[in-house]
Amino acid sequence: AQSVTQLGSHVSVSEGALVLLRCNYSSSVPPYLFWYVQYPNQGLQLLLKYTSAATLVKGINGFEAEFKKSETSFHLTKPSAHMSDAAEYFCAVSLSNFGNEKLTFGTGTRLTIIP
Amino acid sequence: NAGVTQTPKFQVLKTGQSMTLQCAQDMNHNSMYWYRQDPGMGLRLIYYSASEGTTDKGEVPNGYNVSRLNKREFSLRLESAAPSQTSVYFCASINPEGGFNEKLFFGSGTQLSVL
Repeated sequence: AQSVTQLGSHVSVSEGALVLLRCNYSSSVPPYLFWYVQYPNQGLQLLLKYTSAATLVKGINGFEAEFKKSETSFHLTKPSAHMSDAAEYFCAVSLSNFGNEKLTFGTGTRLTIIP
Repeated sequence: NAGVTQTPKFQVLKTGQSMTLQCAQDMNHNSMYWYRQDPGMGLRLIYYSASEGTTDKGEVPNGYNVSRLNKREFSLRLESAAPSQTSVYFCASINPEGGFNEKLFFGSGTQLSVL
């Protein structure tokens, strides 16, 4: 069965510092992986997704993620944190043949930005 | 273009009461989903509908029923609410057949408290 594990339920970084949110996957086949962001009192928005076209995936708001098969990881990074990045972030894997639905989500990482 | 609309936004029930959460999308999507979000557990799939007239169980279907009324609407019913169903509920939709460029669109959520 495919699943994702997010390491760290809470992460705090200073404004301007590197953001690193960790996600490891478990899959018997090449996975379709996603990062979603949830701002307070809102639904989830897609940040980026990996679909095997490139191992380094660039998303919205300056975020990117690197797929590393040898480490079964898909960590999310941003070089310089901004106050507006404070939100909850979810890693997810698709269980669908289409690779874009039936998502299984990780438990989430709440990102706090310190002024 | 409203996207995915959920009603109500907030609801308080007493144990044993019933209610229906409504979801409608105006993007002509085939697939629709109901997730629940609980602290420390991420989002878990309750039920989904791959197309009008079909529904399937997800990870946590017990205590819920769904109806895909037409292509636009997908409702979630709690027949006899229990405190364990206190959660935030999200509806989502997608046209998975559109390929990798398609993405899940989420509603803004329904916050349900069962006392």
